[in-house]
Amino acid sequence: NAGVMQNPRHLVRRRGQEARLRCSPMKGHSHVYWYRQLPEEGLKFMVYLQKENIIDESGMPKERFSAEFPKEGPSILRIQQVVRGDSAAYFCASSPPGGGATSGANVLTFGAGSRLTVL
Amino acid sequence: KNEVEQSPQNLTAQEGEFITINCSYSVGISALHWLQQHPGGGIVSLFMLSSGKKKHGRLIATINIQEKHSSLHITASHPRDSAVYICAVDNNDMRFGAGTRLTVKP
Repeated sequence: NAGVMQNPRHLVRRRGQEARLRCSPMKGHSHVYWYRQLPEEGLKFMVYLQKENIIDESGMPKERFSAEFPKEGPSILRIQQVVRGDSAAYFCASSPPGGGATSGANVLTFGAGSRLTVL
Repeated sequence: KNEVEQSPQNLTAQEGEFITINCSYSVGISALHWLQQHPGGGIVSLFMLSSGKKKHGRLIATINIQEKHSSLHITASHPRDSAVYICAVDNNDMRFGAGTRLTVKP
């Protein structure tokens, strides 16, 4: 089990281009969470998804950002028309059915992150 | 006021010292997480707590739901424990503390 896989690990884009970040959850995990860490700042929740459903997107910027978790394939965080302020590390985490509040296990597993640099 | 407050922000210790990092929160939660972010940026989930106390190796995490407070303790600290420790509370979405930067000197 390779854990939570994020790619690309590093992405460079010019202003106005699109960025697509992918996250494959751990085997058996059906819940995906995206977080953003701006330079010199803490982690911030963005969006919580289950297969084919957005459960909570209260942390997503209203424009240019979207996320999906299709029935097949990885979750995708898409940023359109990137600006320099989008430069950050984007982390994905996954958890099994039942979410993060049930058993005694450390049910949140993080990916290594995708670092987006906007020139 | 942040919903999740951690203290201290920075902590320097000598190898072998007992470390305590505190987290206070102001919202109702279903669980609290302690995360470790390594200097390279990777994040590891250390504990998830909804009550009581958990121990894993030299790490101990406690939570007092009534007081809305959690502590992370590291016994016999080691330079490899140097990292940023982040408290996160789960109430349908996650809210994070600003992190505590721990440096353990040999």
